[in-house]
Amino acid sequence: GENVEQHPSTLSVQEGDSAVIKCTYSDSASNYFPWYKQELGKRPQLIIDIRSNVGEKKDQRIAVTLNKTAKHFSLHITETQPEDSAVYFCAASWSGGYQKVTFGTGTKLQVIP
Amino acid sequence: KAGVTQTPRYLIKTRGQQVTLSCSPISGHRSVSWYQQTPGQGLQFLFEYFSETQRNKGNFPGRFSGRQFSNSRSEMNVSTLELGDSALYLCASSLGTGSTNEKLFFGSGTQLSVL
Repeated sequence: GENVEQHPSTLSVQEGDSAVIKCTYSDSASNYFPWYKQELGKRPQLIIDIRSNVGEKKDQRIAVTLNKTAKHFSLHITETQPEDSAVYFCAASWSGGYQKVTFGTGTKLQVIP
Repeated sequence: KAGVTQTPRYLIKTRGQQVTLSCSPISGHRSVSWYQQTPGQGLQFLFEYFSETQRNKGNFPGRFSGRQFSNSRSEMNVSTLELGDSALYLCASSLGTGSTNEKLFFGSGTQLSVL
């Protein structure tokens, strides 16, 4: 089955700096890669996603890149703000997998004011 | 539109007991997935239901089971509870139609503590 590895497990950055979280996946059939943000005590929420036919996607301060050959994808947050502090999960799935989404183990991001 | 609702919010049980958790999806969503969240392990897929049928199952023992009703509400049952079952159980709903991957909408979860 699919396996998703996520690094680092914790990340501390100064406010205004950039943060990068990296993930690798094992199943070449995976074609959908969402990222979820979970603030303390709250439910995970989708913040951005990318499909395998796209190499990069941006949404304001957030961007995701995908390297299908290397089976790597990354989340980039620029100009970090204290409200970006949360746990971020990468995930992978494939269109025939009926919503079976494999998540990484999460990255706890702390933005220091 | 109301979000995904999970009940109860907290549960405390003892080893050997069984427990039933409930999830009401967003209106119009027919797919309900269940995940177990533990510190350091992330979210682990339990199973997914669509139109009262289990379409996919994760690598959990048979003590974990679920079902879905005609109104798309879903229940998850864990029998013969073990200490290691202590976790936050999240359900997520999505439209579930078609072959394209869809955004998951999560509930707030049920925090299960097994003593």
